[in-house]
Amino acid sequence: NAGVMQNPRHLVRRRGQEARLRCSPMKGHSHVYWYRQLPEEGLKFMVYLQKENIIDESGMPKERFSAEFPKEGPSILRIQQVVRGDSAAYFCASSPGTEKYEQYFGPGTRLTVT
Amino acid sequence: GESVGLHLPTLSVQEGDNSIINCAYSNSASDYFIWYKQESGKGPQFIIDIRSNMDKRQGQRVTVLLNKTVKHLSLQIAATQPGDSAVYFCAEGGIYNFNKFYFGSGTKLNVKP
Repeated sequence: NAGVMQNPRHLVRRRGQEARLRCSPMKGHSHVYWYRQLPEEGLKFMVYLQKENIIDESGMPKERFSAEFPKEGPSILRIQQVVRGDSAAYFCASSPGTEKYEQYFGPGTRLTVT
Repeated sequence: GESVGLHLPTLSVQEGDNSIINCAYSNSASDYFIWYKQESGKGPQFIIDIRSNMDKRQGQRVTVLLNKTVKHLSLQIAATQPGDSAVYFCAEGGIYNFNKFYFGSGTKLNVKP
């Protein structure tokens, strides 16, 4: 049973470009969470999605950031017009559902904005 | 907003000793807590969890204690090994907030051989 998959593992973008981060949850998991981590810091919640629905996006910046979890395919975190401050590790976690709380994390995507 | 903090940013222990990592949380409505281990360059790895209706839970070499009165959580690692060296995070959450978790800043555990 494969774990949470994220790709790419490393992504380099120039200021102003777009970044697309992908997350495939564990098999059987229908809930996806995105977190952001700066060096030497904890993880900060960004967004919680279920299939075709955004449940909670209270941690996501209002501009330039968007997320989706389509009926088919991986969840996508999209950052438009990236700036240097967007450089961070972005982690995706998945869980089976609201009756089971545990979240399992992917290996993360390390975004570097030059 | 909620805050989850750790008392000790860095903890050094001798191999074979027991380790205790502490965590304070601020939201009394939190009903679920998880300890994660994060090695350099990797994603957080689930270690052990505990629900608010419990005060102790044991796993393999690890024990989590929950004191709801003072909103304190601890992770005890028995017979610490070099492979335990990592950053440990506590996270609080629960059904009240759609299961999103709030993480502390982490404690770095160094195990000396």
